[in-house]
Amino acid sequence: NAGVMQNPRHLVRRRGQEARLRCSPMKGHSHVYWYRQLPEEGLKFMVYLQKENIIDESGMPKERFSAEFPKEGPSILRIQQVVRGDSAAYFCASSLDRGVGETQYFGPGTRLLVL
Amino acid sequence: AQSVSQHNHHVILSEAASLELGCNYSYGGTVNLFWYVQYPGQHLQLLLKYFSGDPLVKGIKGFEAEFIKSKFSFNLRKPSVQWSDTAEYFCAVNAPGSGAGSYQLTFGKGTKLSVIP
Repeated sequence: NAGVMQNPRHLVRRRGQEARLRCSPMKGHSHVYWYRQLPEEGLKFMVYLQKENIIDESGMPKERFSAEFPKEGPSILRIQQVVRGDSAAYFCASSLDRGVGETQYFGPGTRLLVL
Repeated sequence: AQSVSQHNHHVILSEAASLELGCNYSYGGTVNLFWYVQYPGQHLQLLLKYFSGDPLVKGIKGFEAEFIKSKFSFNLRKPSVQWSDTAEYFCAVNAPGSGAGSYQLTFGKGTKLSVIP
């Protein structure tokens, strides 16, 4: 029973390049959440998606960041023209439903380092 | 918007000692509360959660937490820790009645627990 999968686990980019982070939710889960963890900080919510829909993107930076969760395939978090401040761990979570108390199951994260 | 405070950044205990990790949140409405654990090199795993009913919640591996609404607290406890409990522990809150943000988890900064054999 595979859990949430994220790849790559580590990603190194130079300033100005693009970063693409992938997340495959647990089998049967159609709700995906992205969080960012800066050094010495807790996880901060970025975006919540269902298949083909962005439900809540209140935590996404206004520029350079975008997310999608297509009908087929993994969810993608895309960061254009990366800057050093984007260096962080990016975690994806998935849930079966969106009800009260629904558990979010987390992936192993992608560590992004911007040189 | 809700926020979560974890007062201890790093806790060091000997095996068999009792553990209590503090967690306070700020939000006036209904909340769901979670404790997640991250063992070295692994992903976040759910330890326990509260969303209604008995305020004393039992989780996996002998952990429990008590929701005290008047104190806005959800402290994590274990009567006797083991070396294998060495990990980082995160408290999180979700506010289901907060509109568009209902599905967000708001995390504390985490507490690193080191258990010395």
